[in-house]
Amino acid sequence: QQQVKQSPQSLIVQKGGISIINCAYENTAFDYFPWYQQFPGKGPALLIAIRPDVSEKKEGRFTISFNKSAKQFSLHIMDSQPGDSATYFCAASNSGYALNFGKGTSLLVTP
Amino acid sequence: KAGVTQTPRYLIKTRGQQVTLSCSPISGHRSVSWYQQTPGQGLQFLFEYFSETQRNKGNFPGRFSGRQFSNSRSEMNVSTLELGDSALYLCASSPGTGDHEQYFGPGTRLTVT
Repeated sequence: QQQVKQSPQSLIVQKGGISIINCAYENTAFDYFPWYQQFPGKGPALLIAIRPDVSEKKEGRFTISFNKSAKQFSLHIMDSQPGDSATYFCAASNSGYALNFGKGTSLLVTP
Repeated sequence: KAGVTQTPRYLIKTRGQQVTLSCSPISGHRSVSWYQQTPGQGLQFLFEYFSETQRNKGNFPGRFSGRQFSNSRSEMNVSTLELGDSALYLCASSPGTGDHEQYFGPGTRLTVT
């Protein structure tokens, strides 16, 4: 049973555009929501994370928006670059270290 | 600080054999978690160790086991390998208290033939 649903499965964005990836969860006990970036042959790298007491968090070109009432959160990549082409995973956990991951979004940024 | 290291990086085993994978966390981190990544199931949590004790466990059969040593290094073992165990096994390191941020290693690619 997938506890975190992620969409879209794949995404193509032009250089300079905004990439948006969405995730939804059901378990209201989740209190930690990270995003990871993974390149082929590498382990996932932590990009940015948010807790439910904050509606938005920004780090450089990456922004998480969090909607607690809708049980949804999203990643926005501003000014997308070809180097951002990777697979992105959202995740959620309940005050612990057992991350529940979405299925991933394959992002391609075209020149 | 050095990152998370995993050994070996690649393994080929035969069905029915057993395998042991190793993970060295970031210096000072006391929590080590293990995940299995496959194209079909994605990233799935196996278990987490903190101060040599298993603190969390995912929904995997008993063939999957782990342990953690006093220096925080961790090993996971898979016995009686099945073809479906072919996957990338990832180890994640975390301080273990307060901060939940987990940092992943490069993984061990296990192929079962």
